[in-house]
Amino acid sequence: SQTIHQWPATLVQPVGSPLSLECTVEGTSNPNLYWYRQAAGRGLQLLFYSVGIGQISSEVPQNLSASRPQDRQFILSSKKLLLSDSGFYLCAWALGLQETQYFGPGTRLLVL
Amino acid sequence: EDKVVQSPLSLVVHEGDTVTLNCSYEVTNFRSLLWYKQEKKAPTFLFMLTSSGIEKKSGRLSSILDKKELFSILNITATQTGDSAVYLCAVFSGGYQKVTFGTGTKLQVIP
Repeated sequence: SQTIHQWPATLVQPVGSPLSLECTVEGTSNPNLYWYRQAAGRGLQLLFYSVGIGQISSEVPQNLSASRPQDRQFILSSKKLLLSDSGFYLCAWALGLQETQYFGPGTRLLVL
Repeated sequence: EDKVVQSPLSLVVHEGDTVTLNCSYEVTNFRSLLWYKQEKKAPTFLFMLTSSGIEKKSGRLSSILDKKELFSILNITATQTGDSAVYLCAVFSGGYQKVTFGTGTKLQVIP
């Protein structure tokens, strides 16, 4: 069966510091991968998606970036965090053209 | 701009009650609508709806889509405290990866 991992679970970072959140999927090959952010009291906002290694599409321009160095690894990064980057970050995967997405446990980021 | 609106924003019911959650949408080139349940952390998938009028059912939960009136409902019968969660509605539209989430309905079931 497929599983999706995210780490860290919780992160407190100062403004201006870098960020690296990692997501890995097991039990499937060539998944579509997604990064979402959920701010307090708001819905999920799609940040990036990837349909293959090295292929990244951005939905929202911002100071975040994503990379997919391996088939089942998706990384969310920032060179300098802003206060507004605080939120709950969720990684998800989906099989090919199917649209049901399965979410990881999430990372709660607080930027101070 | 695509829009997904869920109502009510929050709901408190007693165990055993039946609840109906609503999701309306305005999108270009609708593809499918999904319902998720989010407890403490990751949303878990409940239903995917693509055709009007066909009810999807899983235990005490059921959902139906109306593509003419552009909405979906999620019904939960005989609610239990374990049903307490935020219920999210998401709509896939337009291009392959375009998805819009509603802000969710927070359901609290009290004993």
